[in-house]
Amino acid sequence: AQSVTQLDSQVPVFEEAPVELRCNYSSSVSVYLFWYVQYPNQGLQLLLKYLSGSTLVKGINGFEAEFNKSQTSFHLRKPSVHISDTAEYFCAVIISGNTGKLIFGQGTTLQVKP
Amino acid sequence: EPEVTQTPSHQVTQMGQEVILRCVPISNHLYFYWYRQILGQKVEFLVSFYNNEISEKSEIFDDQFSVERPDGSNFTLKIRSTKLEDSAMYFCASSGVGGRGTEAFFGQGTRLTVV
Repeated sequence: AQSVTQLDSQVPVFEEAPVELRCNYSSSVSVYLFWYVQYPNQGLQLLLKYLSGSTLVKGINGFEAEFNKSQTSFHLRKPSVHISDTAEYFCAVIISGNTGKLIFGQGTTLQVKP
Repeated sequence: EPEVTQTPSHQVTQMGQEVILRCVPISNHLYFYWYRQILGQKVEFLVSFYNNEISEKSEIFDDQFSVERPDGSNFTLKIRSTKLEDSAMYFCASSGVGGRGTEAFFGQGTRLTVV
């Protein structure tokens, strides 16, 4: 069965420091990969996605992620975080060829401190 | 910018009552979804809907749940007889072409509290 694992439930970091949020997936077939962000009391907003092509994808708000097929990972990075990046981040996959159902990881809370 | 809208934002209901959560997907989208997030847990898929029928549903989506697209714009989730464990945030989403990785757009969610 397919699954997504976010290795860190909480990541505290100081403002302007770099951050990496880790995501690993398990699937025997090809997948599409996504990162969503959820700000307090809001819905889910797409940060970036990997469908095919270059394994380094850039998203909104200065975030980027790298697809590593051999390690089945899709870690999210930002070189310098802001207070406004404090939110819940979800990694998710769509199994290629299915109905577009997203399978989510547990989420990682990014806490940016001044 | 087009968006998915959900109403109400918060619903409190008594155990055993029926609730209907409403969603207006983006107008030219073809695939519609419901997800839920129990407090402190991950977002879970409930059901996908395409061409006026359910295309996939999860184990959570039992006979208590139903979905409907009663007109050209609304997409509803009905819970027939609510239980305490149905308390969660329910998200509606829509996408243009499902199964191809097209971005799913999410609504702001409806927080359902069963008392």
